[in-house]
Amino acid sequence: EAGVTQFPSHSVIEKGQTVTLRCDPISGHDNLYWYRRVMGKEIKFLLHFVKESKQDESGMPNNRFLAERTGGTYSTLKVQPAELEDSGVYFCASSSRSVFSNQPQHFGDGTRLSIL
Amino acid sequence: RKEVEQDPGPFNVPEGATVAFNCTYSNSASQSFFWYRQDCRKEPKLLMSVYSSGNEDGRFTAQLNRASQYISLLIRDSKLSDSATYLCVVNDYKLSFGAGTTVTVRA
Repeated sequence: EAGVTQFPSHSVIEKGQTVTLRCDPISGHDNLYWYRRVMGKEIKFLLHFVKESKQDESGMPNNRFLAERTGGTYSTLKVQPAELEDSGVYFCASSSRSVFSNQPQHFGDGTRLSIL
Repeated sequence: RKEVEQDPGPFNVPEGATVAFNCTYSNSASQSFFWYRQDCRKEPKLLMSVYSSGNEDGRFTAQLNRASQYISLLIRDSKLSDSATYLCVVNDYKLSFGAGTTVTVRA
């Protein structure tokens, strides 16, 4: 079974540019999450999809971040325009369809985003 | 107060030693907990779930103390391959991570 895959693995862009990150969850996982780790800090929740619907986007830092999951399969996270403080590692995770909260989440390798 | 707090370490132990560390969480209503392991520049990987009665998986033992709101992880007979950062995670549907405890096992 393929795990969570993220693309690209690393992105270096200039301040003001746009970047789009992609996440393909484990097949059949309805729950998809985005997290971010900025340097020196703990991993922080950004948002949660159940299929194509945003269940919780309370962790999104501001309106420069837009996440989508059209069709309930893969998800994209766009940052526009990117700022220096957006640098960090963006992780995607997925978990199987379940109404219970104790399903572990499986993480992708992350996208390392560097804003110059 | 942070949602999840961990002793950052580092814990530097010889092979074969036992090492243990805790984390505390702020939400008394939290029900689900995990330990994840993260190697340098890699993704977090699930190490074990933490059950209310405590649970063991090989050399790893996790315990939960709801009254004091802390979770512990104990590693027995440490191996070089146990060197990693251990992340305490509280699952309130979305995951809240501690900053991690760094363990280095030396030969």
